[in-house]
Amino acid sequence: GAVVSQHPSRVICKSGTSVKIECRSLDFQATTMFWYRQFPKQSLMLMATSNEGSKATYEQGVEKDKFLINHASLTLSTLTVTSAHPEDSSFYICSAVRGEAFFGQGTRLTVV
Amino acid sequence: GQQLNQSPQSMFIQEGEDVSMNCTSSSIFNTWLWYKQEPGEGPVLLIALYKAGELTSNGRLTAQFGITRKDSFLNISASIPSDVGIYFCAGPRPGSGGYNKLIFGAGTRLAVHP
Repeated sequence: GAVVSQHPSRVICKSGTSVKIECRSLDFQATTMFWYRQFPKQSLMLMATSNEGSKATYEQGVEKDKFLINHASLTLSTLTVTSAHPEDSSFYICSAVRGEAFFGQGTRLTVV
Repeated sequence: GQQLNQSPQSMFIQEGEDVSMNCTSSSIFNTWLWYKQEPGEGPVLLIALYKAGELTSNGRLTAQFGITRKDSFLNISASIPSDVGIYFCAGPRPGSGGYNKLIFGAGTRLAVHP
């Protein structure tokens, strides 16, 4: 069964609003989780590393004020897309490592 | 930055045929991972390779870690319709500490015709 659960699987929001995506590790603790972004027909690109108890680290070119990450507990990381614009529409995927990297089901964000 | 060159970009095959795809890098990788992604889902790990020269199977799937550590291939034998999806190679970004921060190839889209 799934070891990483992501919610919601799909979300549509209006421009200017914020959207929160949750990533949970199931039955194991993850001090570190990772957030990826995938554009249509493209590969996954790492956005940021979520660290429990400390600030997230962001990849070059990723706006930390646009993509707020909170690692609230050892099993939960959240990604908030703030003041969303249509260009933020994408597939967002989280991962956590338990021996190897497991991925959530992904969240399809559509900003209208 | 680090790049994984994956080919072919897409494949259209008949059910029952064998499939081969590969990834190359200009840099050495210590781990090669192969994932499959179905529409609207996250990637699912198929095979993990940890040693140069390693050949590992998972059912009809076989993957090898190249001797030079700069390449890997994935074979699927006797394809079936449910093999449809996007196959990604991936490896840990050097210096990222294990295989936590992954770099992905561009993916190979596989279509299987009954």
